[in-house]
Amino acid sequence: DVKVTQSSRYLVKRTGEKVFLECVQDMDHENMFWYRQDPGLGLRLIYFSYDVKMKEKGDIPEGYSVSREKKERFSLILESASTNQTSMYLCASSLFSVGGLFTDTQYFGPGTRLTVL
Amino acid sequence: SQQGEEDPQALSIQEGENATMNCSYKTSINNLQWYRQNSGRGLVHLILIRSNEREKHSGRLRVTLDTSKKSSSLLITASRAADTASYFCATEEGAQKLVFGQGTRLTINP
Repeated sequence: DVKVTQSSRYLVKRTGEKVFLECVQDMDHENMFWYRQDPGLGLRLIYFSYDVKMKEKGDIPEGYSVSREKKERFSLILESASTNQTSMYLCASSLFSVGGLFTDTQYFGPGTRLTVL
Repeated sequence: SQQGEEDPQALSIQEGENATMNCSYKTSINNLQWYRQNSGRGLVHLILIRSNEREKHSGRLRVTLDTSKKSSSLLITASRAADTASYFCATEEGAQKLVFGQGTRLTINP
């Protein structure tokens, strides 16, 4: 079974702090994703990566950065946390779709509920 | 960008009844996926249906796809309390990404 783990289930930070959210997958997947989920807004893609050291902006990258130094690990960084970044953060991974014929299943971590005070 | 839209937004039924959720999307797809999310948890993949398939079953789940209407439905038969969750459809955006709808919140009453 694919396992995607996230470093914390719950996190409380103060405005202005630098926040690191870590995600690790154990299935040698090329693709990794960070989403945030808010009531009424659904899942929104922040960043994704399809290879080590590669990253692409999603729909809402402002205020976030990412790091992928190793294939199994994808980090989301909030450079200076703000209250509007209070949210549920979900990490996911999937196999790379060779030839772009179809988009594979995504496997999700349990989520990190971040509160910024 | 929002591709899939689920309907209804919320559904409440009695245990043992069937639950049907619908998803509409806008552009051509290669496949459509359904996911479940228990409260406060990550999403779990349920089923993937390809564009050349019209119906697919997995246990008590039945998914249909009508590419001419750009719609899909998820049917859960003989519902149980443990089926209480939010259900999302997801369609492709580019070759590697998925776009999720806002979900249907399903409540099964004992």
